[in-house]
Order: sequence, then structure tokens, then C-alpha cells
Amino acid sequence: GAGVSQSPSNKVTEKGKDVELRCDPISGHTALYWYRQSLGQGLEFLIYFQGNSAPDKSGLPSDRFSAERTGGSVSTLTIQRTQQEDSAVYLCASSLSSGREFFGPGTRLTVL
Amino acid sequence: GQNIDQPTEMTATEGAIVQINCTYQTSGFNGLFWYQQHAGEAPTFLSYNVLDGLEEKGRFSSFLSRSKGYSYLLLKELQMKDSASYLCALFTGGGNKLTFGTGTQLKVEL
Repeated sequence: GAGVSQSPSNKVTEKGKDVELRCDPISGHTALYWYRQSLGQGLEFLIYFQGNSAPDKSGLPSDRFSAERTGGSVSTLTIQRTQQEDSAVYLCASSLSSGREFFGPGTRLTVL
Repeated sequence: GQNIDQPTEMTATEGAIVQINCTYQTSGFNGLFWYQQHAGEAPTFLSYNVLDGLEEKGRFSSFLSRSKGYSYLLLKELQMKDSASYLCALFTGGGNKLTFGTGTQLKVEL
């Protein structure tokens, strides 16, 4: 069966531009997570969606970051006015309810 | 905060056994996960401990002691392909999310 997919796999953008990162979770998984991983660092939690509940946005580093999940499936993470410190790998994960998470391959974002 | 600590790097020899420790400070959590992450790839699930004790799964075992705030991942009969980063993570049911440590980079040598 298909796992979690993310697109694009790589994104290079200029400082100040907006970017959108997409995540397709495993079908039927109600929980979806976004993480950020900087070079040599652990995973930093960004945002969590669970069913129709209000998302947990406690990890978003600034108001330039936002995410939505349409129809309880696909999610888009948007970063407005990108900065060089936003350069990282952005990982999406999904799970059945909560607990064991299945990760996508990530999107490597480079802000020049 | 949960202050999850792991050694940054470890080196071990092919065929040997290595123990990767994870210590934490938290008021409560549902369980502790271990993930493996090869360079440039997504993390993949290794083990999950809810109760104190040892969970064995082939060459990999994970141990949890809640009273000591301590877990370890034990890798036996090391293979070169085990060279990867090993991430310890606490699952808090209240927040329904994983909080990861910074990971331990394991290098397996001949």
C-alpha cells in the first residue's frame, strides 16, 4: 500500500517568497503531523491535525507559518516571506489515531 | 519541558552490541518510541514501550524505566546498514504528539 507522500521533494526559493509544501497521508489515517528537521538536529514539532478537531498549532515558529488540511486528507504547509533560517527538511507524518507515526520522505527547503 | 537527552554520536564494530541511552525529564507521558533514520531518509518506527521493561524485536530491543526516567535501545549483531541516527521520542496523549530527542548518530565500522 502507499505510504505518506510529500511534494516537492526539493524546493529552492529566494528569500521573501512564499512556498507551499504538500503532504498526502496514508488513506484512513486521521492524524497528520508536520515536523521540521534542520541539519544535524532532531525533529521539531510544528502542527498536528486530528480528525475534525481544531489543529494543535503550538509548534509553529511564527505567524509566517500556516497549515491546512482539506477534507481530512491532504495537507498543505505554507511559509510566507521565507527567511534563510527556514531552510530545513519538512517532514509530514500520519497515524491511525495517535501514537505510531508513519513519516513521508520529506521536502528539503533551501532559502537563498 | 521534557528535556530528552541522547548522546550525539556513537561508534561500534560490526557484529558487536551497542546500547543507545535516552534520558528524559517529564511529568508524564503515554509511551516512548524509538525511530531509525538513515541519512536523507524519513524516520522509520523501531519500537514502542508503554510499560517498564524490555521489548524485544529481533536484533533490536528497547527498555524503559519510568521511575528512573531512562530508556535504552539495544542493537545486537551490528551490521553496516545499522549506521543511522536513532531517535528517542516521548508520546504525550494529552497533546497527541511525539517530542523527539536530537538523536544519536551511530557509525558501524568493520
